Amino acid sequence: ETGVTQTPRHLVMGMTNKKSLKCEQHLGHNAMYWYKQSAKKPLELMFVYNFKEQTENNSVPSRFSPECPNSSHLFLHLHTLQPEDSALYLCASSQDSGNTIYFGEGSWLTVV
Amino acid sequence: DAKTTQPPSMDCAEGRAANLPCNHSTISGNEYVYWYRQIHSQGPQYIIHGLKNNETNEMASLIITEDRKSSTLILPHATLRDTAVYYCIVRVDGDSWGKLQFGAGTQVVVTP
Repeated sequence: ETGVTQTPRHLVMGMTNKKSLKCEQHLGHNAMYWYKQSAKKPLELMFVYNFKEQTENNSVPSRFSPECPNSSHLFLHLHTLQPEDSALYLCASSQDSGNTIYFGEGSWLTVV
Repeated sequence: DAKTTQPPSMDCAEGRAANLPCNHSTISGNEYVYWYRQIHSQGPQYIIHGLKNNETNEMASLIITEDRKSSTLILPHATLRDTAVYYCIVRVDGDSWGKLQFGAGTQVVVTP
């Protein structure tokens, strides 16, 4: 139990579907992150939110749409994805964007 | 350019100490050494971090050389559940995690 909970753990979606990944942190942190990890590749940062405001967007395609309604919740809305978007999507949080970062268990996404 | 160098893999016998090296010869004075691990199909787990003094917690010990150009993560009594990829990262405290790469890490396999 890391204090960062991601749902669903596994998701299979078609290229025309719309789905969302959810992340909730119970650590009282104010910064939240989305990372992508493809097979045999390093972690790639996608988005950073600090106090609900997006502070970093690592040139992520618009078919990935993040939402941060409050400091405890982070969503990643997915639409018209491609098979190459299949990966492990990781949420993380930290107290301010500069402190130790804690990850959730991840959501395995398969696009068919 | 990679700021840390780790061996790609190492084996360890269950119950023995696992000593994981990391080379960070270009580390600057205000950069901390962080260690994370990632068990297969899960999110990275924070282990420990330090600046120049040796550090110990319930998971591991971190030994940093006096010149700070290298460090060793010690798992005192390795168990099968310690099989994972271990990442060594150097980071200025307070810097955004968006600037960092987790790299390839060391694949540690603990055998019975």
